[in-house]
Amino acid sequence: EVQLVESGGGLVPPGGSLRLSCAASGFTFSSSLVMSWVRQAPGKGLEWVSAIWGSGDNTHYADSVKGRFTISRDISKNTVYLQMNSLRAEDTAVYYCAKAGDSGSIYDYWGQGTLVTVSS
Amino acid sequence: EVVLTQSPATLSLSPGERATLSCRASQSVDSQLAWYQQKPGQAPRLLIYDASNRATGIPARFSGSGSGTDFTLTISSLEPEDIAVYYCQQRRSWPVTFGQGTRLEIK
Repeated sequence: EVQLVESGGGLVPPGGSLRLSCAASGFTFSSSLVMSWVRQAPGKGLEWVSAIWGSGDNTHYADSVKGRFTISRDISKNTVYLQMNSLRAEDTAVYYCAKAGDSGSIYDYWGQGTLVTVSS
Repeated sequence: EVVLTQSPATLSLSPGERATLSCRASQSVDSQLAWYQQKPGQAPRLLIYDASNRATGIPARFSGSGSGTDFTLTISSLEPEDIAVYYCQQRRSWPVTFGQGTRLEIK
């Protein structure tokens, strides 16, 4: 059974940092697999944040987080990370980890999400 | 960036009725479009990929069509459990983008 379990969310003041983790199981966590983070602000729609594939050199970011967030992964630990720096109030959201299927960047499995709240 | 515009924002129908949800792209995304269903308090679930392919385990009442810039998700006969917000998403070009969602209500 495929499972994606996010952790690391919480309350952080503006300007602070947080690192999210997504532990994957139930499938081959290969370097060719695309893994992404998608967020959802309270009462709002889905916003794609970042993706990683290949050996980790291939990454993409939404303009809203470029230069502040860094996605990475540890294949030996079947884990994807999202390092979030210089956090702003508008980064407050539930952050979902998502696995892409064979079609690439179409997300066939999602975690349950972890809430990040940026507030003083 | 490809902007996806969904319509209507809210759709209210009775059980057994047919639901038609629209997604329009600001530029061609070929057939590289997916549909997701999100119920309150839950993560999104993939319904349709590559415009018209049902994902594993998705009931046959859900179908997708379209290519280029205009896409449709059809639910042939509404069930009460279909209450949800439905999102389209394109993967044709970076960044990946989602539509703003259509809320489906059951009368």
